[in-house]
Amino acid sequence: ILNVEQSPQSLHVQEGDSTNFTCSFPSSNFYALHWYRWETAKSPEALFVMTLNGDEKKKGRISATLNTKEGYSYLYIKGSQPEDSATYLCAFDDNFNKFYFGSGTKLNVKP
Amino acid sequence: NAGVMQNPRHLVRRRGQEARLRCSPMKGHSHVYWYRQLPEEGLKFMVYLQKENIIDESGMPKERFSAEFPKEGPSILRIQQVVRGDSAAYFCASSPSRGPNQPQHFGDGTRLSIL
Repeated sequence: ILNVEQSPQSLHVQEGDSTNFTCSFPSSNFYALHWYRWETAKSPEALFVMTLNGDEKKKGRISATLNTKEGYSYLYIKGSQPEDSATYLCAFDDNFNKFYFGSGTKLNVKP
Repeated sequence: NAGVMQNPRHLVRRRGQEARLRCSPMKGHSHVYWYRQLPEEGLKFMVYLQKENIIDESGMPKERFSAEFPKEGPSILRIQQVVRGDSAAYFCASSPSRGPNQPQHFGDGTRLSIL
């Protein structure tokens, strides 16, 4: 069984705060790491695909880093806004046809 | 360009009935994946299909569950003789190919409730 762990499970921040959360995955058989943003009653939306150790990706106020040797990725949100409230999922791809999803970090940004 | 379409959004069945869940992938996508989210749990892989072929069904329960992706029409996830434990959200995703830079694009899911 392949474990993908995300922490924290939930996070409550004030508007304007910067925040970050972690995805831990096996350091062997790495193929790709995906981040998704999932709003309630909607479908998960792809944010980033990361494949190389040391990768850094950025989209607006959201960025992510990748360390495949130690098996973790960080997602950062700068200056959180209420519309950033969602569950953020990471998914590990070991190139055997399936994604292994973490349980997600549920972010709540208070105005 | 329409996204991944799943229907129905909500499905209610009584124990012992059959449930059929449909998924139309994004245009140009020939790879379809089904995931299940049980209450209070994360997304778990069930099956991966390409047109007319099951590539990996390692996440499918051995009995009562089947999936297909015919040459024409949507992918179907079929659950026979449903039980209460089948109550979950079922998500379909698609991609145009398999590759390290290829995200899977998700539908809104079908919420299955078993009475």
